Amino acid sequence: EAQVTQNPRYLITVTGKKLTVTCSQNMNHEYMSWYRQDPGLGLRQIYYSMNVEVTDKGDVPEGYKVSRKEKRNFPLILESPSPNQTSLYFCASSWDRGYTGELFFGEGSRLTVL
Amino acid sequence: SQQGEEDPQALSIQEGENATMNCSYKTSINNLQWYRQNSGRGLVHLILIRSNEREKHSGRLRVTLDTSKKSSSLLITASRAADTASYFCAINTDKLIFGTGTRLQVFP
Repeated sequence: EAQVTQNPRYLITVTGKKLTVTCSQNMNHEYMSWYRQDPGLGLRQIYYSMNVEVTDKGDVPEGYKVSRKEKRNFPLILESPSPNQTSLYFCASSWDRGYTGELFFGEGSRLTVL
Repeated sequence: SQQGEEDPQALSIQEGENATMNCSYKTSINNLQWYRQNSGRGLVHLILIRSNEREKHSGRLRVTLDTSKKSSSLLITASRAADTASYFCAINTDKLIFGTGTRLQVFP
């Protein structure tokens, strides 16, 4: 089954404690992206990757890091989480950045930073 | 902002009625996409309409695009309680930009 898998789905952590949210896709997609969703603000792009070892900032990259060492994996790293990073996070993948086709989304990771 | 703006923000209807959601945007686009999100879940792609297309159908969904007015509409016909969800438009420029969504509630 084609899917994007995120882990963990739910996480409560404290300010400053480094965490990683993993994302894996099994569709051999070139393009992967991270979004955060906040009430009234819609989905905002954090980082994206066009291919292995190629990553770029989205609209709200501050406080986040990513890496793309393998095509299927695109982890999101919060080096020193702060309460304003409390949000619902989505990983998505696509053949071509949405130019001709859809984005496939993971089920989301709800992060709370105390 | 380049993002699509959905209207209305929330919509409540009875089963069997039609639901219409609108999306307006401000820039030139390659295509416009509609996604659905059940509460707290991931977004699911519904339909894509290219900038040179005016109307597209998929099952009970009908999407229109008016590039001169920079607007699109999503019509769900004969709605069901299971259609209860948030619906997002996403405009594709050099990247995909999502709007803030319309929350649809369909009462049995």
